[in-house]
Amino acid sequence: ETGVTQTPRHLVMGMTNKKSLKCEQHLGHNAMYWYKQSAKKPLELMFVYSLEERVENNSVPSRFSPECPNSSHLFLHLHTLQPEDSALYLCASSQATFSTGTGFEKLFFGSGTQLSVL
Amino acid sequence: AQKVTQAQTEISVVEKEDVTLDCVYETRDTTYYLFWYKQPPSGELVFLIRRNSFDEQNEISGRYSWNFQKSTSSFNFTITASQVVDSAVYFCALSEVDSSNTGKLIFGQGTTLQVKP
Repeated sequence: ETGVTQTPRHLVMGMTNKKSLKCEQHLGHNAMYWYKQSAKKPLELMFVYSLEERVENNSVPSRFSPECPNSSHLFLHLHTLQPEDSALYLCASSQATFSTGTGFEKLFFGSGTQLSVL
Repeated sequence: AQKVTQAQTEISVVEKEDVTLDCVYETRDTTYYLFWYKQPPSGELVFLIRRNSFDEQNEISGRYSWNFQKSTSSFNFTITASQVVDSAVYFCALSEVDSSNTGKLIFGQGTTLQVKP
């Protein structure tokens, strides 16, 4: 148990569906991240939120829409996805602030949502 | 641009063997951080170690040890007396720190380690 919970664990969706991935952290951290892990590719950073403000948007297509309503919750809203978006989506959190910075501290990961787009 | 290379895609060893996972990185910065994470079959990445670019001391933690050599831009990870529970995918990662105090963690491709009984 890492303190970061992701739901659902598995998701199958059609290209016209709209779904959301949820991440919740119980560690009191104030930075949260979405990563994408595809087969045969390194983990790719998608979004970073620090103190509920988005500080990184790594050229992700607009069909992925993040939302961070508070420092404990992070969502990834999905719509009109493509089959190549099938991947493991990992959420992470860390203790980071604007003064200490983000991106170089220890990350705590959830178990991920395995997404299949048909 | 920063880059992390883990040339070993898969390694298979028999229990109790020692195994070294290689990591070579590229960066133009003098200030950066290096990491190792473990991803067991359950999926979540687990932090193992973080080193900053100014600390070249090798580290040992139980059966795990890390060898950081700036001269060769390498940060290798050795597991001594491997166990079946060490079977996982291991990722090396690099983060540079920019002027806005924001880093971006770049991962290598990962090395899948299989430890057979």
